[in-house]
Amino acid sequence: DTGVSQDPRHKITKRGQNVTFRCDPISEHNRLYWYRQTLGQGPEFLTYFQNEAQLEKSRLLSDRFSAERPKGSFSTLEIQRTEQGDSAMYLCAAGGFGNTEAFFGQGTRLTVV
Amino acid sequence: DQQVKQNSPSLSVQEGRISILNCDYTNSMFDYFLWYKKYPAEGPTFLISISSIKDKNEDGRFTVFLNKSAKHLSLHIVPSQPGDSAVYFCAAQKTSYDKVIFGPGTSLSVIP
Repeated sequence: DTGVSQDPRHKITKRGQNVTFRCDPISEHNRLYWYRQTLGQGPEFLTYFQNEAQLEKSRLLSDRFSAERPKGSFSTLEIQRTEQGDSAMYLCAAGGFGNTEAFFGQGTRLTVV
Repeated sequence: DQQVKQNSPSLSVQEGRISILNCDYTNSMFDYFLWYKKYPAEGPTFLISISSIKDKNEDGRFTVFLNKSAKHLSLHIVPSQPGDSAVYFCAAQKTSYDKVIFGPGTSLSVIP
């Protein structure tokens, strides 16, 4: 158990619909990251929170993507007007203060049809 | 521009032998290096890390070597076991609090 839970595990949606994913780290994890992984590639960084502050966003994160972490606890990643190219595994990772390694959740597999 | 490279997409090793997975990086600002292991349909699992002030870190069957001048690191698994079959990602950070940048991964198959 990495202490990072993601919900849902799988999501199938029609193109043009909005989807929201949730990540719940244990309270000791003050750093939270979102990544996207497609087949045959390593995880690509999307965005990063330190507590409730969003410190960095990747250029990969278009205007259709938004992430929040209210109160520095759970985080949500929303994709508006989904496109087929958004189909991927969305991974959340979290790390505690002083830890170098980030621990990943099991991911949310998004399929846009 | 890929900052972390793993030039071998796949590797097959006989059970009991040594597995050597290689990784190169281009950004000299990286100070922490990590290896993650990933099974299908699961998130990556942290395996081992090394700080740039060290050249070797060992944890059981897993050893990571860092050659900072060559911007190269490697993961040695001895002895290899069938359960080690997975995709291995090399990753790097500029600081221990920064985002982790991943390589494309190497798929390791350990043959019984």
